Amino acid sequence: AQKITQTQPGMFVQEKEAVTLDCTYDTSDPSYGLFWYKQPSSGEMIFLIYQGSYDQQNATEGRYSLNFQKARKSANLVISASQLGDSAMYFCAMREGPGGGTSYGKLTFGQGTILTVHP
Amino acid sequence: NAGVMQNPRHLVRRRGQEARLRCSPMKGHSHVYWYRQLPEEGLKFMVYLQKENIIDESGMPKERFSAEFPKEGPSILRIQQVVRGDSAAYFCASSRDPTYNEQFFGPGTRLTVL
Repeated sequence: AQKITQTQPGMFVQEKEAVTLDCTYDTSDPSYGLFWYKQPSSGEMIFLIYQGSYDQQNATEGRYSLNFQKARKSANLVISASQLGDSAMYFCAMREGPGGGTSYGKLTFGQGTILTVHP
Repeated sequence: NAGVMQNPRHLVRRRGQEARLRCSPMKGHSHVYWYRQLPEEGLKFMVYLQKENIIDESGMPKERFSAEFPKEGPSILRIQQVVRGDSAAYFCASSRDPTYNEQFFGPGTRLTVL
């Protein structure tokens, strides 16, 4: 079974509009972390935002916010006021704890969503 | 404060040669992770190391691949007798500790096997 699922292979958004990138996850571990990374065409992986499973509030970092719905096991990334430079591949990733039967620290990635921002 | 450094950025090898990829973690980080990204795919975990120790190598192919993180110097991912299927981007990431809420990636090494 997929541990991290990103169901949108591609998304389009108009400049200055908001966009939501979907991510669902599957784990039986009560302690886990969720990450979002941006990969522009140049190839590097840029850390955007983190949400811990015990965090009471949704994480925010500038124009990025994470819509964390624990019961639904979803961790959607919301980008507000999209800019042309936001065009990139976006990856959701999960870090599980020792209770998940795996080593602490390693990330499991989704397949990614390509976001295109139109002027 | 320099970020995670990887070199070389691009590496071309012929089938059967060896590839050595190097990763220097961020200052103060002692946990290193290697990931592989095949074309058009997400990143896949390969190995997790601390200084002088392999913590988890569950994602490493059983043959031809090895990794180390010596007491001094960078972490090395070594691929012996490369094949065309090894062509990929190899990323290294580091963190202060495994529970930390950030894991920073290097720029990656793009390996092309001719």
